[in-house]
Amino acid sequence: DAGVIQSPRHEVTEMGQEVTLRCKPISGHDYLFWYRQTMMRGLELLIYFNNNVPIDDSGMPEDRFSAKMPNASFSTLKIQPSEPRDSAVYFCASSENRGYYEQYFGPGTRLTVT
Amino acid sequence: ELKVEQNPLFLSMQEGKNYTIYCNYSTTSDRLYWYRQDPGKSLESLFVLLSNGAVKQEGRLMASLDTKARLSTLHITAAVHDLSATYFCAVAPGTYKYIFGTGTRLKVLA
Repeated sequence: DAGVIQSPRHEVTEMGQEVTLRCKPISGHDYLFWYRQTMMRGLELLIYFNNNVPIDDSGMPEDRFSAKMPNASFSTLKIQPSEPRDSAVYFCASSENRGYYEQYFGPGTRLTVT
Repeated sequence: ELKVEQNPLFLSMQEGKNYTIYCNYSTTSDRLYWYRQDPGKSLESLFVLLSNGAVKQEGRLMASLDTKARLSTLHITAAVHDLSATYFCAVAPGTYKYIFGTGTRLKVLA
């Protein structure tokens, strides 16, 4: 299995622009998670999905952030409009609904908003 | 509010030495996880601990769990440079959500 796939790996954009981050979970995994990692705040869970349905979005910082999962193999995290304080590494992770519920992380997208 | 605290936050140690990283959490949790993150890389799962008294070992790393004390430890034996990384613990208090600790940045000096 290729593992969790994220794109792009790096994104540099100007303040005010729309940014879309993409994630393909491991095939067969029921859960998908979006995290943000910064030096100041560490690893924060933004939102997670179960069977393509958003279950908990309490970590989404504000209305500028939105996430969708139109099917079992694809999810997006969108920021519109972007701000410099959104600069961070965004990770996607997926897990099965059985066993240890272990989360497998993608390589991350490093976002820089200038 | 559920808190997961790790200490130390930074650890610089000599090769060949032993040390322990501590993970304290503030509420009951069904499971506890340890992850490793190399600089600029993603998180890699190391251990999953499921019950009180659980102990798991992989190479020079050994993790244990005391659910009564709400404490997990990650013990490093005879450290080598390749173990330099940031180590995170995470708890899953009855749900699929993880709550991650602050991380411990380990640097092993040759």
